Amino acid sequence: DQQVKQNSPSLSVQEGRISILNCDYTNSMFDYFLWYKKYPAEGPTFLISISSIKDKNEDGRFTVFLNKSAKHLSLHIVPSQPGDSAVYFCAASSYNQGGKLIFGQGTELSVKP
Amino acid sequence: DVKVTQSSRYLVKRTGEKVFLECVQDMDHENMFWYRQDPGLGLRLIYFSYDVKMKEKGDIPEGYSVSREKKERFSLILESASTNQTSMYLCASSPGGLANYGYTFGSGTRLTVV
Repeated sequence: DQQVKQNSPSLSVQEGRISILNCDYTNSMFDYFLWYKKYPAEGPTFLISISSIKDKNEDGRFTVFLNKSAKHLSLHIVPSQPGDSAVYFCAASSYNQGGKLIFGQGTELSVKP
Repeated sequence: DVKVTQSSRYLVKRTGEKVFLECVQDMDHENMFWYRQDPGLGLRLIYFSYDVKMKEKGDIPEGYSVSREKKERFSLILESASTNQTSMYLCASSPGGLANYGYTFGSGTRLTVV
């Protein structure tokens, strides 16, 4: 059972426009959410996170939105740059699971010049 | 600069071989994890460890075992490699407690079983 789902395997966006990556989850116990970015032949790197007590967190060009009632979060990248082309993974955790993260399938973002 | 180091970037092994994947972190982290990444399936947790000599099964432990004799080192063992274990293997570590600090990942080991 996939507790964290990224239903779009790929997304293509023009440079300078907004990229929106989506993630849905099923476990209402999740209380912390993270986004990771992965380039080919490298390990994922942490991008941005949000606690369930918030509905928005912003860091430069990256903003994560959390809709708890819909069990949905999204990552907005504005403006998108060619260097943002990578696979983005959504991840979730709950307090009673300690440090264990559950990851989604990933979305491959391609930003075209 | 904090690091998680995986001993091999690429490995090719034969079916039936015993395979060892090594991971070392220099951040004094309590938690260490092994994931595999496959297209369309994302990152799936194989095993994890919250402390030395501790191990817990993740979502897909079948065919794997782990060893954590020292805090900084977490080894993944494929007891008898099979072609369906061809994958990218990723090691990660994090400080003890909640996931709020996130993981630090290694660069991955691309394993091919022939």
